[in-house]
Amino acid sequence: AQTVTQSQPEMSVQEAETVTLSCTYDTSESDYYLFWYKQPPSRQMILVIRQEAYKQQNATENRFSVNFQKAAKSFSLKISDSQLGDAAMYFCAYRLLGYGGSQGNLIFGKGTKLSVKP
Amino acid sequence: DVKVTQSSRYLVKRTGEKVFLECVQDMDHENMFWYRQDPGLGLRLIYFSYDVKMKEKGDIPEGYSVSREKKERFSLILESASTNQTSMYLCASSLMGDLGYTFGSGTRLTVV
Repeated sequence: AQTVTQSQPEMSVQEAETVTLSCTYDTSESDYYLFWYKQPPSRQMILVIRQEAYKQQNATENRFSVNFQKAAKSFSLKISDSQLGDAAMYFCAYRLLGYGGSQGNLIFGKGTKLSVKP
Repeated sequence: DVKVTQSSRYLVKRTGEKVFLECVQDMDHENMFWYRQDPGLGLRLIYFSYDVKMKEKGDIPEGYSVSREKKERFSLILESASTNQTSMYLCASSLMGDLGYTFGSGTRLTVV
């Protein structure tokens, strides 16, 4: 079974600095997607960034970028120029490509709580 | 924008009560999901549905049931609420074949 591990329950960063959140996953499949979701105190889960496993190029969305290492099964999120609004829970998630039913469902890590200090 | 609406933001119920958590989405999504979120445990899938009147068990279905009589509405039912069901409940929806899920804002349920 696929699993997603976030080894950092909590992280802290100074405003304007850069922080990296770690995520590793376990799968024997080759075609899948990886995601980072943000859950601010408002509780609304928001998609931050996603990465297709077949793409070697790391995904980037403004201040958010990923370091995708397929062989190492690692998918870290880098937040540059951290802002107070980045404070949230961050969840890494995995989804198998090309399957329906339960095999195609999102699998989440346990989350990392990010605090941003002014 | 797709909207997923959960009927209650906070709910307090007594042990043994039958509890209904409602979720409605407004963009004709086929797939709907109920998750439970607990500190240190992340999001755990309770039930999901890929079509009207269709339901499948997730990872932790015990103590829960669901109903999907209409495409836009997916209800989570706690037949007899217990204190260990105190949690945050998140509903999500997605289009068939689409990668992203859209989440509701969650219902924080307290069972006393």
